[in-house]
Amino acid sequence: AQSVTQPDIHITVSEGASLELRCNYSYGATPYLFWYVQSPGQGLQLLLKYFSGDTLVQGIKGFEAEFKRSQSSFNLRKPSVHWSDAAEYFCAVALYGQNFVFGPGTRLSVLP
Amino acid sequence: GAGVSQSPSNKVTEKGKDVELRCDPISGHTALYWYRQSLGQGLEFLIYFQGNSAPDKSGLPSDRFSAERTGGSVSTLTIQRTQQEDSAVYLCASSLGTGLAKNIQYFGAGTRLSVL
Repeated sequence: AQSVTQPDIHITVSEGASLELRCNYSYGATPYLFWYVQSPGQGLQLLLKYFSGDTLVQGIKGFEAEFKRSQSSFNLRKPSVHWSDAAEYFCAVALYGQNFVFGPGTRLSVLP
Repeated sequence: GAGVSQSPSNKVTEKGKDVELRCDPISGHTALYWYRQSLGQGLEFLIYFQGNSAPDKSGLPSDRFSAERTGGSVSTLTIQRTQQEDSAVYLCASSLGTGLAKNIQYFGAGTRLSVL
């Protein structure tokens, strides 16, 4: 069955530290891949997306993600976390013409 | 409008009452999606519209839930005889379409529904 997993429910990092949020998918083909961020009380904002081409994609707010076909992963990274990055992060996948499937989310807390 | 607009932003209702939630997508977006997000949970897909038709209603949790879209624009999600387990944030998203590069969903801020 098609699925998206985010193994970490909650991550806490110190401000200025590096961050990596994991996302794995189980699909028969390579899907389109997305990362969204949801701040408290807000809707979801697109951080970045991967359709094809360069497997390292840059997004907004200093985030990047790397697609690794061999690992069926699309991990989100940021070299230096800011307190304003504290939020819920969702990985999502979609196949052509089909609906998005979202992962369960990872909540990021940032220590001062 | 500039973004996806949802109303009301908050709705408190009594168990057994009907509620209507509204979504106004980004102008020109042909695809529209409804999701439900329960406390501490991920997003649960409810229904998807392409134009005015709904090719995929598979996510509607029961026959108390229905949705319509008219004029290829505004959509209404209706929950009849609300139950306490319906309490959640209902999110709407729209996209240009479902093909390559068009399948990027833009989300509204959601409607927080509380059923007492």
